[in-house]
Amino acid sequence: AQTVTQSQPEMSVQEAETVTLSCTYDTSESDYYLFWYKQPPSRQMILVIRQEAYKQQNATENRFSVNFQKAAKSFSLKISDSQLGDAAMYFCAYRSRLGQGAQKLVFGQGTRLTINP
Amino acid sequence: NAGVTQTPKFQVLKTGQSMTLQCAQDMNHEYMSWYRQDPGMGLRLIHYSVGAGITDQGEVPNGYNVSRSTTEDFPLRLLSAAPSQTSVYFCASASARTEAFFGQGTRLTVV
Repeated sequence: AQTVTQSQPEMSVQEAETVTLSCTYDTSESDYYLFWYKQPPSRQMILVIRQEAYKQQNATENRFSVNFQKAAKSFSLKISDSQLGDAAMYFCAYRSRLGQGAQKLVFGQGTRLTINP
Repeated sequence: NAGVTQTPKFQVLKTGQSMTLQCAQDMNHEYMSWYRQDPGMGLRLIHYSVGAGITDQGEVPNGYNVSRSTTEDFPLRLLSAAPSQTSVYFCASASARTEAFFGQGTRLTVV
């Protein structure tokens, strides 16, 4: 079974600075997706960024980028120019691309990010 | 464009009561699932479905029941509520090539 680990329960960063959230995962599969979801106080789950394992290029969405290290099974999220609106709980998640696991997301424990003005 | 609609947003139950959390999606997604979110544990899969008439258990299925009679709807039933079922519940839908889309969540308290 796949597992996802976020070892940082809480992080804080000054507004306009850069912060990196860590995520490691364990799987025997070679074809899968990795995601970062953001959960603000509204409780809504919002997709931040998505990475396909077969793509070597790291995904980027505006101020959000990932460092995907497939061999090390690491998938960190970098937030540049942090804004007050980035304050939220962030979840790393894994999903198989094919077969039985394709319907399921496996989540990490979450990292609560605080932005200091 | 409604996406995933989940009701109710809040609910308080007494121990032993039953209730159904409703979930509907309008994106014609084949996959639907229910998760519960507890502090420090992320989201854990309760039940999931790969299409109408097909359901299966996830990581924490005990005390919950599901059915999927249509592509659009995937209700979650609590048969006899227990305090351990106090949690935030999320419904999600996806297709094979898309990310999961989530409902707004239900905060359930069992007293």
